[in-house]
Amino acid sequence: EAQVTQNPRYLITVTGKKLTVTCSQNMNHEYMSWYRQDPGLGLRQIYYSMNVEVTDKGDVPEGYKVSRKEKRNFPLILESPSPNQTSLYFCASGRRGWDVDQPQHFGDGTRLSIL
Amino acid sequence: GNSVTQMEGPVTLSEEAFLTINCTYTATGYPSLFWYVQYPGEGLQLLLKATKADDKGSNKGFEATYRKETTSFHLEKGSVQVSDSAVYFCALTASQGGSEKLVFGKGTKLTVNP
Repeated sequence: EAQVTQNPRYLITVTGKKLTVTCSQNMNHEYMSWYRQDPGLGLRQIYYSMNVEVTDKGDVPEGYKVSRKEKRNFPLILESPSPNQTSLYFCASGRRGWDVDQPQHFGDGTRLSIL
Repeated sequence: GNSVTQMEGPVTLSEEAFLTINCTYTATGYPSLFWYVQYPGEGLQLLLKATKADDKGSNKGFEATYRKETTSFHLEKGSVQVSDSAVYFCALTASQGGSEKLVFGKGTKLTVNP
């Protein structure tokens, strides 16, 4: 079954404690992306990756890091989390940035609460 | 730049009511347009799409027509069900690094009561 898997699904943590949200896809997709979803703001892109070792900033990259050492994995790293990063996070993957016949597949989301 | 504006929610309807969720866009070139749906506790799923002017996307009783003259892609369903309760996102494609990314509207929460 085609899947984008995120872990953890829920996390409550404290300001300044480094955390990593993992994302893995089993579709051999080149493109992967992280979004955050906030009430009244919709989904905003944090970072994206066109392929292994190729990453770039999206619309709201401040306070986040990513890496793409393998095609299937695209972890999101918060080196020093702050309360304004409390949000619902989604990872997505697609065959080539976006393809009209193969739209992006989304994970089920990770709800982060930073106290 | 590229942007999507969709009607503010929340929208509350009774079962079997008619649904319209308005979506308008601003874009350079000729984007493809999408509606995504997010059921409670889940990620986004593609609901329907249209890739050129006058195309009509349809799925699960939902429809939307790509109107270039009014830059709109309104979502409609003739008779909603309780199971349609979800958040609906309108989106378009935009160029990104030689490829394309999705630009989303803010989402509209729909609640259907029995």
